[in-house]
This record gives sequence, structure tokens and C-alpha cells, in this order.
Amino acid sequence: KNQVEQSPQSLIILEGKNCTLQCNYTVSPFSNLRWYKQDTGRGPVSLTIMTFSENTKSNGRYTATLDADTKQSSLHITASQLSDSASYICVVSASYGQNFVFGPGTRLSVLP
Amino acid sequence: NAGVTQTPKFRVLKTGQSMTLLCAQDMNHEYMYWYRQDPGMGLRLIHYSVGEGTTAKGEVPDGYNVSRLKKQNFLLGLESAAPSQTSVYFCATQLRPSTDTQYFGPGTRLTVL
Repeated sequence: KNQVEQSPQSLIILEGKNCTLQCNYTVSPFSNLRWYKQDTGRGPVSLTIMTFSENTKSNGRYTATLDADTKQSSLHITASQLSDSASYICVVSASYGQNFVFGPGTRLSVLP
Repeated sequence: NAGVTQTPKFRVLKTGQSMTLLCAQDMNHEYMYWYRQDPGMGLRLIHYSVGEGTTAKGEVPDGYNVSRLKKQNFLLGLESAAPSQTSVYFCATQLRPSTDTQYFGPGTRLTVL
């Protein structure tokens, strides 16, 4: 069964600190992996998209990594800001049909 | 550009009532999707469309119908609402299905009593 798991479920950090969120997947055959940021009460917004051949992708203070062999991805946030408080969702696409498998998300709270 | 808009933003229904959610986009995207988001779960695909006049079932289509009469609009209908359909509904659009970005609307919060 195609699944995406994320850890931790929630995370609290102080402003200015770094953090890393994890994503493990069993989606096959793999097409691409996406990370989204979802603010409370809003729709998800794309941060990064990585294909099989890419093992890292950056978007400002956000850096995603992909290990297609172990089927793991991480999202690293550098020098966190209060505005980084949100849910971060990992999404893996299979290379057939419209098959987007969403993880449950990690809820990040950045405190002053 | 408004991007992706959804109406209404909030709605409360009684069991058995019907309603239609509207998703509108001004990006000329071919692909449109309806998802539902429930607490503790990832978004799940209800129905999708690969172009004007086409629709297809997603992971959780039961109890919902859709139509794509115009390229810019994708409608999601509930013919007889049930409490299990209480959720937040998101519409998304995409130019091409491969590695293009999916753009999400702001969501519709639906409560069925």
C-alpha cells in the first residue's frame, strides 16, 4: 500500500534555531516528492519538488533532501522565524495516474 | 490574478441536504483536483479533471459528484450530505501532471449536522 509517514507529529523550537523534519514513503513506482507549507486556515503552498535524480533542493531557508534508495526525505529549516509556524506536508507522486499520496504533516511552532 | 478561489468559505448543512462547492482558476491550467482534509490525516483525492468536459474518480469519490463544463471552473456536489462528509475541502490546479506545481485554493470548511 502506498503510504507517506512524517515525523515528528509536532515540534516546538525557539526563533532562530534550525530544525529538520522527516518523511518516509513506500510509494512505488516513484515519480517525485514535494514539500508543502500549510498555514492555519489556508491551503498548502509548494516549497520544493524533487525528482528521482535530485537529492537536494533549496528554497530560501528551506532545504529538502531525498534518498530514493532508502525512500526517505527531510526538510531542513535554517534560522527559523515566527512565520515558519505551520504544518509541513510531504507528498509523494507515483508515476502513473493522478496519484498524489499526502503525509499527515508535521506541525511546527516557532516561539519567540 | 486571483489564482485559485473557492466558494463558499464556510457552510453548515443538515444531514440529507445538498450543496455545490465552486472552484475557479484564472491560470489556464488543464488539471484540477478536489481534496478533503481531515484531522490527523493527509489530504485525500476525491475527484479530478484533466481538462474541460472530463472528470475521474480519486481515492474517496463516494457521495460526491463533479463537473467541469468550463475550463476555469470545477464544481463539487454533495447530493445528500452525511456527517462523515464534515471536512475541509481544497481545490487545486496544475498545468501539467508531472513536476509542475500544484496551486491550492483557500479551502471550504463544511460541517454536516
